[in-house]
Amino acid sequence: DAGITQSPRHKVTETGTPVTLRCHQTENHRYMYWYRQDPGHGLRLIHYSYGVKDTDKGEVSDGYSVSRSKTEDFLLTLESATSSQTSVYFCAISEEVGRGRRETQYFGPGTRLLVL
Amino acid sequence: RKEVEQDPGPFNVPEGATVAFNCTYSNSASQSFFWYRQDCRKEPKLLMSVYSSGNEDGRFTAQLNRASQYISLLIRDSKLSDSATYLCVVKGSQGNLIFGKGTKLSVKP
Repeated sequence: DAGITQSPRHKVTETGTPVTLRCHQTENHRYMYWYRQDPGHGLRLIHYSYGVKDTDKGEVSDGYSVSRSKTEDFLLTLESATSSQTSVYFCAISEEVGRGRRETQYFGPGTRLLVL
Repeated sequence: RKEVEQDPGPFNVPEGATVAFNCTYSNSASQSFFWYRQDCRKEPKLLMSVYSSGNEDGRFTAQLNRASQYISLLIRDSKLSDSATYLCVVKGSQGNLIFGKGTKLSVKP
């Protein structure tokens, strides 16, 4: 158990409203990530963070912003939700495991977002 | 060419069967490779890392062929509980993981 929680777990909202998803970790990992998962696309990186107040864009960052004011929390905000942002959102943290310091990632339980 | 490609399946096999999944990746500079497992409506979970010399974990064997940019996962003696989607994953240049779309496995009694 990597100690990752996400809130809310489910949300229904309307087009044009702002939405913030929260990822919380208990193990002080430096790197945190936000992905979305859609049928036919697999998991795609939205934004990631490599420390407090240090973030960068991923593959599908348009329409999303992030903030990390504390090590344990990584927030994903949809400033004005659109129907194309209906998806399952996963937060992840990374740590070094195994021989050769291979880096892998552990995922939170996900947030299912429906934008009507 | 997509960065990570997998056969989507589904693979429908009887209990006890041996099943193999294949995956190709496009970036020859990639250094880290993984197989993840994802159950329906759940988060992806690390199944195993893939090392250059190949590695085994119980009934699961992973192989890497750098020259062909090819990764495989072999599952022996399939169990009903192995039913899931298996994701081939390659570490990208930003440290993020690049996921294949997954191969669905259904093990039948």
